Amino acid sequence: EVQLVESGGGLVQPGGSLRLSCAASGFTFSSYWMHWVRQAPGKGLVWVSRINSDGSSTSYADSVKGRFTISRDNAKNTLYLQMNSLRAEDTAVYYCARGGYHSGYDLEPWGQGTLVTVSS
Amino acid sequence: SYVLTQPPSVSVAPGQTARITCGGNNIGSKSVHWYQQKPGQAPVLVVYDDSDRPSGIPERFSGSNSGNTATLTISRVEAGDEADYYCQVWDSSSDHQVFGGGTKLTVL
Repeated sequence: EVQLVESGGGLVQPGGSLRLSCAASGFTFSSYWMHWVRQAPGKGLVWVSRINSDGSSTSYADSVKGRFTISRDNAKNTLYLQMNSLRAEDTAVYYCARGGYHSGYDLEPWGQGTLVTVSS
Repeated sequence: SYVLTQPPSVSVAPGQTARITCGGNNIGSKSVHWYQQKPGQAPVLVVYDDSDRPSGIPERFSGSNSGNTATLTISRVEAGDEADYYCQVWDSSSDHQVFGGGTKLTVL
């Protein structure tokens, strides 16, 4: 069974840092691009970042560029999101998702999400 | 940056057909993907590449894309289809994924 499990969320103060992890299983992790998508409470989905299969290429939403870093460890089948200089507006459930299973840019499956709360 | 526009809400009676639109500049030239999200759950892909269905998704779910509008059509709507639906494309100019604002489908 293809599965993605996020962890690392929690409460952090403004200006603080947090690292999210996404453990993958049930598929050849090293063959797929991976994405982070977030959802603020009661709001819609917002794409955050993506990384290609070998980690050599990344892309970020303008709202997180320079503060967040996406990375992966293909030996550990794990995706990461390092979040620095966190702001209240970064409060959201963060989902990881596999990219391009069916075509170039679809996202499937998604993990269950991990909640990040930025507050003093 | 590329913008996708969805109606905030759509209501339909059980057994009828629901149509959820996704507007974008020349969206017909892009591949559109659709996701269903039920309360407290992660999104699930229901249509990819405009009109294809992943395995396990009922044939009642279909999609089309032309000009400036893509459409997700749900035939013979059931109570279990009540959810938020999001369209998504890849914007090649920015190398960003873009989501629409989402549409809440209510089954009356």
